[in-house]
Amino acid sequence: IAGITQAPTSQILAAGRRMTLRCTQDMRHNAMYWYRQDLGLGLRLIHYSNTAGTTGKGEVPDGYSVSRANTDDFPLTLASAVPSQTSVYFCASSVRLAARDEQFFGPGTRLTVL
Amino acid sequence: TQLLEQSPQFLSIQEGENLTVYCNSSSVFSSLQWYRQEPGEGPVLLVTVVTGGEVKKLKRLTFQFGDARKDSSLHITAAQPGDTGLYLCAGGKAGTALIFGKGTTLSVSS
Repeated sequence: IAGITQAPTSQILAAGRRMTLRCTQDMRHNAMYWYRQDLGLGLRLIHYSNTAGTTGKGEVPDGYSVSRANTDDFPLTLASAVPSQTSVYFCASSVRLAARDEQFFGPGTRLTVL
Repeated sequence: TQLLEQSPQFLSIQEGENLTVYCNSSSVFSSLQWYRQEPGEGPVLLVTVVTGGEVKKLKRLTFQFGDARKDSSLHITAAQPGDTGLYLCAGGKAGTALIFGKGTTLSVSS
């Protein structure tokens, strides 16, 4: 593993189903993030984690939950998917939750909720 | 909500032309980052500027941070087809996650 990996690459999901998007980084970064990217709306922060064991809400947290049991993994769960959650989801990490730190992004998960 | 406004939203030019992309806010940021994203991939950092008035050059790309640290610009000289992509600016403040602009989609045709 080099950098950040996300799984699955893409998924089609029936509305009402539960879904977990996986994110793993091997850079020992303290901070991790989940974004969704929609045409015309840019990258919007869903949840973030400053360090293992802590999480925080971003701009669009409703309908999503996260956990940070260890440094490397930061899964994003949709408890009951709805069509408005159709989007491309990006996981990212940085050394710290600091203004100047570079964020490294994964390749994304394309999710379609029908 | 602190907003970062990027303009233009779309830009289609011919190879060899120059262009400037703008990133503006009413808020003061301690840093401003520019990322480039290609289709099907995640954004990749191009540059970070942290001092008001700072200018950084990366080959044919010139980045400037406004004196008041509320705005930034990206200038590309003699654009090439390989410059095609989505350009995102992101503002940073201490202790908070980055705020991203909506992006500028650049298309350079040969």
